[in-house]
Amino acid sequence: GQSLEQPSEVTAVEGAIVQINCTYQTSGFYGLSWYQQHDGGAPTFLSYNALDGLEETGRFSSFLSRSDSYGYLLLQELQMKDSASYFCAVRPSSGTYKYIFGTGTRLKVLA
Amino acid sequence: NAGVTQTPKFRVLKTGQSMTLLCAQDMNHEYMYWYRQDPGMGLRLIHYSVGEGTTAKGEVPDGYNVSRLKKQNFLLGLESAAPSQTSVYFCASNEGEVTQYFGPGTRLTVL
Repeated sequence: GQSLEQPSEVTAVEGAIVQINCTYQTSGFYGLSWYQQHDGGAPTFLSYNALDGLEETGRFSSFLSRSDSYGYLLLQELQMKDSASYFCAVRPSSGTYKYIFGTGTRLKVLA
Repeated sequence: NAGVTQTPKFRVLKTGQSMTLLCAQDMNHEYMYWYRQDPGMGLRLIHYSVGEGTTAKGEVPDGYNVSRLKKQNFLLGLESAAPSQTSVYFCASNEGEVTQYFGPGTRLTVL
C-alpha cells in the first residue's frame, strides 16, 4: 500500500531549529507537499518539492530525496506561533487525483 | 475572493438523522475533495470529484454520498448518521498537483 509516516510529536524551544521527517512507501508521485494546521483550524499549504533537493521559503525549508524515500520540513528560528500540527502529502502518479496525507506531527514550541 | 467556504460550521445530530454539508469554492478549480479528521489523526479522503458531474470514492466512503452538480459546489450527504461519523469534515479544492486549498471545516457531533 501507500503510506507516509511521521513522528507523532516533536518538542523544541523558541529560537531553535527543528526537523520533521516524512518517510513514505509509494511507487511514484508528483511531489511532496507540507501543510500546517493550528488547533481548531484548517490545513494551510507551506511548501512543495517537485524535485530532489532543498526548497527554502523564509524560515521554512523542505527537502526531498526520492532515492531514500524520505523528506523533511525544517523550521528555523522557532516562534511560539509555530506550535501546530504538520502534515506531509503526496499525489501518487498512478492516474488518480487522490492525495495521501501523512500521519501528522504535533510540534510544541516551549518558551 | 472567499476561497473555499463550508456550511454549516457546527452541527449536532441524533443517530439516524440525515444532513448535507455544503462546500463552495470561487477559484474555478476542477478538483474538489471531502476529508474527515478525527482527534489527533491525519486526513482521510471520503469522496472526491475531478469535474462537474463526476464523483469518485476515496479511502472511507461508506455511509456518505456526494454530488457535484455545479463546478463550484461539492455536497456531502449523510443519509443515516452514526456516532462513528462524529468528526471534523474538511473540503478542499485544487487545480494541478501542487497545493490544496482547504475550507474552515465543519464540526459534526452525532449523539
